[in-house]
Amino acid sequence: GQSLEQPSEVTAVEGAIVQINCTYQTSGFYGLSWYQQHDGGAPTFLSYNALDGLEETGRFSSFLSRSDSYGYLLLQELQMKDSASYFCAVKKGSGYSTLTFGKGTMLLVSP
Amino acid sequence: NAGVTQTPKFQVLKTGQSMTLQCAQDMNHNSMYWYRQDPGMGLRLIYYSASEGTTDKGEVPNGYNVSRLNKREFSLRLESAAPSQTSVYFCASSDEDGSYEQYFGPGTRLTVT
Repeated sequence: GQSLEQPSEVTAVEGAIVQINCTYQTSGFYGLSWYQQHDGGAPTFLSYNALDGLEETGRFSSFLSRSDSYGYLLLQELQMKDSASYFCAVKKGSGYSTLTFGKGTMLLVSP
Repeated sequence: NAGVTQTPKFQVLKTGQSMTLQCAQDMNHNSMYWYRQDPGMGLRLIYYSASEGTTDKGEVPNGYNVSRLNKREFSLRLESAAPSQTSVYFCASSDEDGSYEQYFGPGTRLTVT
């Protein structure tokens, strides 16, 4: 089987930096995606890592360590609008495979 | 470009009733997916369609059926609704086969009493 672990909730203040961790256990791991969801709305894609290292997209960065079965999403210069749930999702295999999502981390940003 | 659309937005059913959730995408994507989201459970895959004419079971398929009507449309049917199917249902699509980047619809909030 496979499992993903994320913290259920993280709190931070505006302007700060926050890191949301994701550890996974799965055979045939290929890559790790991150999604954002506001207030039960449609999840939206943020980033993807197939190789070890850091991927940067504006204020958001995502990191993967395949040897540690671990990744994280880093949010910098936090804004109130970043308050949302964040999900990591694993993809298995280079061919066709579906995503398996973690249970999500609720980020609360306070003034 | 509407992206992924879902109907209805809200629905209340009595136990044993049936209904079909509709999903359509206008991005010419090959793959489409149905998920359910329950509090604290994340997104769980019900069924998916890798391409027009094919459907496969996901993690939680029991009590559901699907139809890939054409490349644009993928419907989810509950034949005999149960309270355990109270959930938010999301449809998604992706352009590449098994892509890590999926585009989600706004969801259908279903309550079964």
